[in-house]
Amino acid sequence: DQQVKQNSPSLSVQEGRISILNCDYTNSMFDYFLWYKKYPAEGPTFLISISSIKDKNEDGRFTVFLNKSAKHLSLHIVPSQPGDSAVYFCAASAENSGGSNYKLTFGKGTLLTVNP
Amino acid sequence: NAGVTQTPKFQVLKTGQSMTLQCAQDMNHEYMSWYRQDPGMGLRLIHYSVGAGITDQGEVPNGYNVSRSTTEDFPLRLLSAAPSQTSVYFCASSYLRTASSYNEQFFGPGTRLTVL
Repeated sequence: DQQVKQNSPSLSVQEGRISILNCDYTNSMFDYFLWYKKYPAEGPTFLISISSIKDKNEDGRFTVFLNKSAKHLSLHIVPSQPGDSAVYFCAASAENSGGSNYKLTFGKGTLLTVNP
Repeated sequence: NAGVTQTPKFQVLKTGQSMTLQCAQDMNHEYMSWYRQDPGMGLRLIHYSVGAGITDQGEVPNGYNVSRSTTEDFPLRLLSAAPSQTSVYFCASSYLRTASSYNEQFFGPGTRLTVL
C-alpha cells in the first residue's frame, strides 16, 4: 500500500519553462510534506517543505502547493534550469498520538530533465 | 562540519558474508535512520533511532540489525548477505520533531552494495 505516490516517473521540459512535479498521498494523518532533490551518486538534499496548515510555500524559483481536500501537492520550478535536472522525491510525515513523529514516507521519485 | 558521513562508498559481498555499513553525523542530531533505494522503489526505511540506546524497525527491517551506542554513530549490520540486499543505502539524521515544527533530514552520500 503506497501512501505517497508520484505517478510520473519522468518529466522533460525546456530551459526557462515551468516544471510541475506532482505527488498524491492517501494517509490523512500526514501533516508535513517535503521535497528532496537527488543527483546521481549523491544523497538526497532537502529542497522545500510545507505544513498542512498552509496551502503554499515559496523559496526562490521553487514553490510547493498543497491541496488537502484532494490529498495532492505539487512542486513548481520557474524558470527551469539545466542544473535542476535530477530525481525529485516527495515525502510526508505524520504526527502520531504521542505528539511527534520523525519518520518520512517517500514516493518513488520523478526524474526531471531540463533541456537547454 | 562534515554533516553525515558513510563508509564505505562501494562494497561487493558474497552471499552469506556479513558486514557493517558505517554512518556518523557531527550535528548532534537525535534522530538517525537508514534507507535503501532500489530502482523504481523510492527510499524505504530500514531502521531508525531517536537517541542513544533507542532503535526501532522501519518498513523493510528483515536481514538488518542496528544499534546506537552514541549520538554520533548509527551502524547498519548485514548478518548474512543475500542478493536481494543489493541496493544503495543512505543514512540520514535530523533533530527531533516538535509539535509545531518538522526538522528536515540530512542524508549521507550513500553506500552502493552488491551481493553476488
